[in-house]
Amino acid sequence: GAGVSQSPSNKVTEKGKDVELRCDPISGHTALYWYRQSLGQGLEFLIYFQGNSAPDKSGLPSDRFSAERTGGSVSTLTIQRTQQEDSAVYLCASSSTGTDTQYFGPGTRLTVL
Amino acid sequence: QKEVEQNSGPLSVPEGAIASLNCTYSDRGSQSFFWYRQYSGKSPELIMFIYSNGDKEDGRFTAQLNKASQYVSLLIRDSQPSDSATYLCAVNDGSSNTGKLIFGQGTTLQVKP
Repeated sequence: GAGVSQSPSNKVTEKGKDVELRCDPISGHTALYWYRQSLGQGLEFLIYFQGNSAPDKSGLPSDRFSAERTGGSVSTLTIQRTQQEDSAVYLCASSSTGTDTQYFGPGTRLTVL
Repeated sequence: QKEVEQNSGPLSVPEGAIASLNCTYSDRGSQSFFWYRQYSGKSPELIMFIYSNGDKEDGRFTAQLNKASQYVSLLIRDSQPSDSATYLCAVNDGSSNTGKLIFGQGTTLQVKP
Protein backbone atom coordinates (compact mmCIF):
# COMPACT_ATOMS: atom_id res chain seq x y z
CA GLY A 1 0.00 0.00 0.00
CA ALA A 2 0.95 3.65 -0.27
CA GLY A 3 1.10 4.33 3.44
CA VAL A 4 1.20 2.70 6.85
CA SER A 5 -2.02 0.90 7.67
CA GLN A 6 -3.31 -0.19 11.05
CA SER A 7 -6.20 -2.30 12.19
CA PRO A 8 -8.60 -2.14 13.81
CA SER A 9 -9.19 1.60 13.76
CA ASN A 10 -11.13 1.34 17.00
CA LYS A 11 -11.18 -1.33 19.66
CA VAL A 12 -13.36 -1.42 22.74
CA THR A 13 -12.62 -4.16 25.22
CA GLU A 14 -13.36 -5.10 28.77
CA LYS A 15 -10.80 -4.88 31.51
CA GLY A 16 -8.83 -8.11 31.74
CA LYS A 17 -9.23 -9.12 28.09
CA ASP A 18 -6.33 -9.49 25.66
CA VAL A 19 -6.13 -7.38 22.50
CA GLU A 20 -4.04 -7.51 19.34
CA LEU A 21 -3.26 -4.45 17.26
CA ARG A 22 -1.87 -4.78 13.77
CA CYS A 23 0.45 -2.59 11.73
CA ASP A 24 1.36 -2.94 8.06
CA PRO A 25 4.27 -0.60 7.26
CA ILE A 26 5.12 1.12 4.03
CA SER A 27 6.45 -1.45 1.58
CA GLY A 28 10.21 -1.76 1.81
CA HIS A 29 10.52 0.05 5.13
CA THR A 30 12.76 -1.98 7.38
CA ALA A 31 12.26 0.01 10.56
CA LEU A 32 8.97 -0.07 12.44
CA TYR A 33 8.00 1.77 15.61
CA TRP A 34 5.08 1.63 17.99
CA TYR A 35 4.08 4.70 19.97
CA ARG A 36 1.21 5.42 22.34
CA GLN A 37 -0.68 8.68 22.69
CA SER A 38 -2.86 9.05 25.74
CA LEU A 39 -5.54 11.72 25.95
CA GLY A 40 -3.88 15.11 26.16
CA GLN A 41 -0.42 13.55 26.25
CA GLY A 42 2.50 13.47 23.89
CA LEU A 43 3.58 10.44 21.94
CA GLU A 44 5.33 7.82 24.03
CA PHE A 45 7.77 5.40 22.38
CA LEU A 46 7.01 1.73 22.97
CA ILE A 47 9.17 -0.51 20.78
CA TYR A 48 11.41 -0.46 17.70
CA PHE A 49 11.86 -3.18 15.09
CA GLN A 50 14.63 -3.49 12.55
CA GLY A 51 13.53 -6.27 10.27
CA ASN A 52 12.09 -8.94 12.54
CA SER A 53 14.29 -8.06 15.50
CA ALA A 54 13.35 -5.73 18.32
CA PRO A 55 16.59 -4.22 19.59
CA ASP A 56 14.78 -1.59 21.64
CA LYS A 57 11.82 -2.58 23.77
CA SER A 58 12.58 0.00 26.44
CA GLY A 59 9.25 1.80 26.14
CA LEU A 60 6.96 -1.16 26.81
CA PRO A 61 5.21 -0.17 30.06
CA SER A 62 4.88 -3.64 31.55
CA ASP A 63 5.25 -7.32 30.77
CA ARG A 64 1.61 -7.33 29.70
CA PHE A 65 2.78 -5.67 26.49
CA SER A 66 4.54 -7.61 23.76
CA ALA A 67 5.08 -7.22 20.04
CA GLU A 68 6.35 -9.22 17.14
CA ARG A 69 7.10 -8.66 13.52
CA THR A 70 7.12 -11.32 10.86
CA GLY A 71 8.53 -11.39 7.35
CA GLY A 72 10.08 -7.99 7.93
CA SER A 73 6.66 -6.52 7.37
CA VAL A 74 3.51 -6.79 9.49
CA SER A 75 3.78 -6.20 13.22
CA THR A 76 1.37 -7.11 15.98
CA LEU A 77 1.25 -5.40 19.37
CA THR A 78 -0.42 -7.54 22.00
CA ILE A 79 -1.71 -6.28 25.33
CA GLN A 80 -2.65 -8.97 27.81
CA ARG A 81 -5.07 -8.50 30.69
CA THR A 82 -5.91 -4.97 29.63
CA GLN A 83 -6.32 -2.26 32.22
CA GLN A 84 -8.17 1.05 31.99
CA GLU A 85 -4.87 2.93 31.91
CA ASP A 86 -4.07 1.15 28.64
CA SER A 87 -6.76 3.24 26.93
CA ALA A 88 -4.97 5.35 24.33
CA VAL A 89 -4.31 5.69 20.63
CA TYR A 90 -1.64 3.24 19.51
CA LEU A 91 0.34 4.55 16.58
CA CYS A 92 2.64 2.68 14.29
CA ALA A 93 5.32 4.35 12.17
CA SER A 94 7.85 3.10 9.67
CA SER A 95 10.99 4.40 8.07
CA SER A 96 13.32 3.22 5.35
CA THR A 97 16.89 2.06 5.81
CA GLY A 98 19.38 4.82 6.54
CA THR A 99 16.82 7.42 7.52
CA ASP A 100 14.98 8.18 10.73
CA THR A 101 12.15 10.00 8.98
CA GLN A 102 9.07 8.23 10.27
CA TYR A 103 5.66 8.06 8.68
CA PHE A 104 2.69 7.28 10.85
CA GLY A 105 -0.33 5.10 10.31
CA PRO A 106 -3.85 6.21 11.25
CA GLY A 107 -3.66 4.61 14.67
CA THR A 108 -5.84 2.28 16.69
CA ARG A 109 -7.97 3.87 19.39
CA LEU A 110 -8.16 1.42 22.28
CA THR A 111 -10.80 1.88 24.95
CA VAL A 112 -10.74 -0.39 27.99
CA LEU A 113 -13.98 -0.38 29.93
CA GLN B 1 14.95 12.25 31.38
CA LYS B 2 15.24 13.57 27.85
CA GLU B 3 12.69 16.26 27.16
CA VAL B 4 11.23 18.24 24.32
CA GLU B 5 9.41 21.36 25.43
CA GLN B 6 6.74 23.22 23.55
CA ASN B 7 4.28 25.89 24.60
CA SER B 8 0.90 24.16 24.53
CA GLY B 9 -0.87 27.31 23.32
CA PRO B 10 -3.27 27.88 21.83
CA LEU B 11 -1.39 30.19 19.52
CA SER B 12 -3.92 32.30 17.68
CA VAL B 13 -3.01 34.18 14.51
CA PRO B 14 -5.13 35.90 11.87
CA GLU B 15 -5.34 34.46 8.40
CA GLY B 16 -2.41 35.57 6.27
CA ALA B 17 -0.09 36.18 9.21
CA ILE B 18 3.11 34.35 10.10
CA ALA B 19 2.77 31.71 12.79
CA SER B 20 5.91 30.98 14.80
CA LEU B 21 6.14 27.72 16.73
CA ASN B 22 9.02 27.00 19.05
CA CYS B 23 10.61 23.96 20.64
CA THR B 24 13.56 23.32 22.92
CA TYR B 25 15.18 19.97 23.60
CA SER B 26 17.46 18.65 26.30
CA ASP B 27 19.49 15.98 24.50
CA ARG B 28 22.66 17.52 23.06
CA GLY B 29 23.24 14.30 21.14
CA SER B 30 20.11 14.72 19.02
CA GLN B 31 20.89 15.10 15.33
CA SER B 32 17.51 14.87 13.61
CA PHE B 33 14.60 17.21 14.14
CA PHE B 34 11.06 16.91 12.89
CA TRP B 35 7.81 18.82 12.80
CA TYR B 36 4.57 16.90 12.57
CA ARG B 37 1.08 18.31 12.15
CA GLN B 38 -1.77 16.56 13.90
CA TYR B 39 -5.39 17.38 13.21
CA SER B 40 -7.87 16.52 15.93
CA GLY B 41 -8.61 12.82 15.90
CA LYS B 42 -5.98 12.10 13.28
CA SER B 43 -2.44 10.75 13.35
CA PRO B 44 0.71 12.87 13.02
CA GLU B 45 1.66 13.95 9.52
CA LEU B 46 5.29 14.79 8.75
CA ILE B 47 5.66 18.32 7.41
CA MET B 48 9.35 19.18 7.86
CA PHE B 49 12.64 17.69 8.93
CA ILE B 50 15.96 19.42 9.48
CA TYR B 51 19.41 18.12 10.34
CA SER B 52 21.73 21.11 10.00
CA ASN B 53 21.91 24.45 11.74
CA GLY B 54 20.15 27.23 9.91
CA ASP B 55 16.95 27.45 7.93
CA LYS B 56 15.19 25.00 5.68
CA GLU B 57 12.30 26.19 3.56
CA ASP B 58 9.53 24.16 1.95
CA GLY B 59 6.70 26.15 0.48
CA ARG B 60 5.06 28.18 3.22
CA PHE B 61 6.99 26.35 5.93
CA THR B 62 10.45 27.19 7.26
CA ALA B 63 12.20 25.13 9.89
CA GLN B 64 15.00 26.73 11.88
CA LEU B 65 17.58 24.87 13.92
CA ASN B 66 20.12 26.17 16.43
CA LYS B 67 21.94 23.25 18.01
CA ALA B 68 24.04 25.48 20.29
CA SER B 69 20.86 26.82 21.87
CA GLN B 70 19.04 23.46 21.50
CA TYR B 71 16.21 25.25 19.80
CA VAL B 72 14.02 24.37 16.82
CA SER B 73 11.30 26.49 15.33
CA LEU B 74 8.71 26.30 12.60
CA LEU B 75 7.46 29.34 10.74
CA ILE B 76 4.27 29.16 8.73
CA ARG B 77 3.86 32.03 6.31
CA ASP B 78 0.50 33.19 4.96
CA SER B 79 -1.30 31.11 7.58
CA GLN B 80 -4.57 29.56 6.46
CA PRO B 81 -7.51 28.29 8.54
CA SER B 82 -6.59 24.81 7.28
CA ASP B 83 -3.29 25.16 9.16
CA SER B 84 -5.24 25.04 12.44
CA ALA B 85 -3.92 21.92 14.15
CA THR B 86 -1.52 20.74 16.82
CA TYR B 87 2.12 20.89 15.80
CA LEU B 88 4.42 18.32 17.33
CA CYS B 89 8.16 18.82 17.59
CA ALA B 90 10.21 15.61 17.67
CA VAL B 91 13.91 14.91 18.01
CA ASN B 92 15.81 11.66 17.76
CA ASP B 93 17.17 10.09 20.92
CA GLY B 94 20.83 10.94 20.61
CA SER B 95 22.00 8.07 22.81
CA SER B 96 20.26 5.49 20.68
CA ASN B 97 20.97 4.40 17.11
CA THR B 98 17.40 3.17 16.67
CA GLY B 99 15.97 6.39 15.36
CA LYS B 100 13.33 6.51 18.04
CA LEU B 101 11.82 9.93 18.50
CA ILE B 102 11.11 11.99 21.57
CA PHE B 103 8.05 14.17 21.13
CA GLY B 104 6.95 17.41 22.69
CA GLN B 105 3.40 17.81 23.93
CA GLY B 106 2.53 19.91 20.90
CA THR B 107 1.42 23.49 20.27
CA THR B 108 -2.15 24.12 19.19
CA LEU B 109 -2.38 26.65 16.40
CA GLN B 110 -5.60 28.48 15.61
CA VAL B 111 -5.76 30.50 12.41
CA LYS B 112 -8.75 32.83 12.45
CA PRO B 113 -10.37 33.90 9.16
